Amino acid sequence: LAKTTQPISMDSYEGQEVNITCSHNNIATNDYITWYQQFPSQGPRFIIQGYKTKVTNEVASLFIPADRKSSTLSLPRVSLSDTAVYYCLGGRGSGNTGKLIFGQGTTLQVKP
Amino acid sequence: EAQVTQNPRYLITVTGKKLTVTCSQNMNHEYMSWYRQDPGLGLRQIYYSMNVEVTDKGDVPEGYKVSRKEKRNFPLILESPSPNQTSLYFCASSKSHSNTQYFGPGTRLLVL
Repeated sequence: LAKTTQPISMDSYEGQEVNITCSHNNIATNDYITWYQQFPSQGPRFIIQGYKTKVTNEVASLFIPADRKSSTLSLPRVSLSDTAVYYCLGGRGSGNTGKLIFGQGTTLQVKP
Repeated sequence: EAQVTQNPRYLITVTGKKLTVTCSQNMNHEYMSWYRQDPGLGLRQIYYSMNVEVTDKGDVPEGYKVSRKEKRNFPLILESPSPNQTSLYFCASSKSHSNTQYFGPGTRLLVL
């Protein structure tokens, strides 16, 4: 059974690096791993996507080990405005379907 | 402006009164889906559509219906709403199931 698991919550302080790890045990060979950010009263929005090894953009880095059964979103030097819920999308339902399995979301609270 | 729109944004209704939440996208995306978001449960997919006239169940389809008669529209229908369908609903679209999901602003539904 496809399952995507991530921590429910994390706390951090401004200026620190934050790493959020997601487990996706049923990732298919051709599936990408995607992370989304959600602020209150808004829909989730794309942060970063990767297939393997490391991907970096202006917002975050994404680390994916060789077996691709997990991924780590890294936010460098967080600020108060990074307080949000972060969702991992790391798989589909069984078989070659269009069903998408999100993690439960990680609520990141950045403190001053 | 490329966007996904949902209507209404807020809705209070009573048990058993049929309702429809509309979703429209202007990006010519083939893939569209509906999610519900509940505290502690994250984003759970209700239904998805790979293309016009092609729909399939997500993880929590019970009590919901969808249709995809046109590429841009993907309405969510609750034939007989019940209080356990009180939730925050998001529509999303993408080029395909493996591409970045673009989310709408959400519809907050309260069923009394």
